[in-house]
This record gives sequence, structure tokens and C-alpha cells, in this order.
Amino acid sequence: QVQLQESGPGLVKPSDTLSLTCTVSGGHITGYYWSWIRQAPGKGLEWIGYVYYSGTTNYSPSLRSRVTISVDRPKNQFSLELKSVTAADAAVYYCARYDGDWLLFDYWGQGSLVTVSS
Amino acid sequence: QTLVTQEPSFSVSPGGTVTLTCGLSSGSVSTSYYPSWFQQTPGQAPRTLIYNTNTHSSGVPDRFSGSILGNKAALTITGAQADDESNYYCVLYVGGGIWVFGGGTKLTVL
Repeated sequence: QVQLQESGPGLVKPSDTLSLTCTVSGGHITGYYWSWIRQAPGKGLEWIGYVYYSGTTNYSPSLRSRVTISVDRPKNQFSLELKSVTAADAAVYYCARYDGDWLLFDYWGQGSLVTVSS
Repeated sequence: QTLVTQEPSFSVSPGGTVTLTCGLSSGSVSTSYYPSWFQQTPGQAPRTLIYNTNTHSSGVPDRFSGSILGNKAALTITGAQADDESNYYCVLYVGGGIWVFGGGTKLTVL
């Protein structure tokens, strides 16, 4: 059974960079798209972007200027960096696997709460 | 920027049928948008119910079904149960490798 687990600081200062890692267990990074999705308190889901196992990326237009998603195949991990954070970036950040063959977001992490405060 | 629209809230009686929709601020949703539907209860990660318009994710009861109705994607719950009370989100592939979530529908079963 594939499992995803987010990790990283739960508190980030305004204007700093938010960094999170998603560790994939029970399966391989190879062959899939790996996404980050966030949810601000009391709000809906927001797709941030994905990295393909080959390293190809795509980002939400609204976040593209501040986001980098990367993959580390040997470690079976992928990561999110979001620069110049503000209070509006406070959210639960989820990592998820997208199966491009079946067109399915099939596995999700449990989520990592990130607070933005000085 | 593409906006994906959902009803903010809906209510259904136990045993009843409800259809939630997922539309576009401009244009019509078709199967080419590969709509998916997710169920989320507070404090939990989303659970995938339906993908690629009308395919059930593993373990999802048959009372959940997906379709295209008119110019929107739709999620129909037939024979609603108390534990179907959740938030429901759709996501659409809008092209160029971009996915956009709807704002979600809070479903009340009462």
C-alpha cells in the first residue's frame, strides 16, 4: 500500500521560504506525477503544482513565480518550496500522487499544517 | 484565470438523492476536463470518490456516481446516508498541465 508523508517546519516567518518534503513508501516515484495541494483554514482545496518523476514540473499560474517542486528519486521523495510567504500562505499542505494513465489522484498524505508568523 | 464553480451548500434527507455540480466560470465542462470528485470531512485528507468523469475509486460505494449534466460535471448521491455529510470538491484539468479545484460544497444530511 502506497503511503505519503509530509514533513517540514510547522512555523515559517513572513517573507521566508516554506519548505516541505513528501516521502513515498510502499511504492516508487517512477511513473507518476507528484502534486502539492493546500487548504487554508476553513477554505477549499488549491492545486499548487506537480513534478513528474522525470523532473518535469507544472505550477498553478497564481503561484508560479514563487513555487519550486522537485523530485529526489533515490530517496523516493519530492519537495515543495514556496518563497516570500505571507499570512495568506498559511494552510494545510497535502502531497498527493496523480496516476496519469488512470487520470486519478489516488493517494494523499495526511497533510502538514504550516503557520506563517513572526 | 479559470474559475471552477460549485454550490456552496446543499442539503438532502436521509435516503434521498442529491446532485452536486461542477462548472466553469466561462464555458462548458466536458469529459475532456477529466473531472474528479473528492469527499473531505473536517481534519481529514480528501478521499477520491470519482475520477475521469464517472469511474469509481476503489472501495467507493455505488451510491456515488459521476456524470456530465448539461454543461457541468455532476456528482449524484443516491440513498444518502448520515455519514455522507461532508465537504465535496471537484477538480478539473483545464489544459497546459494545470488542475483547478472548485470551491467545494458542504453537504448536510438531515
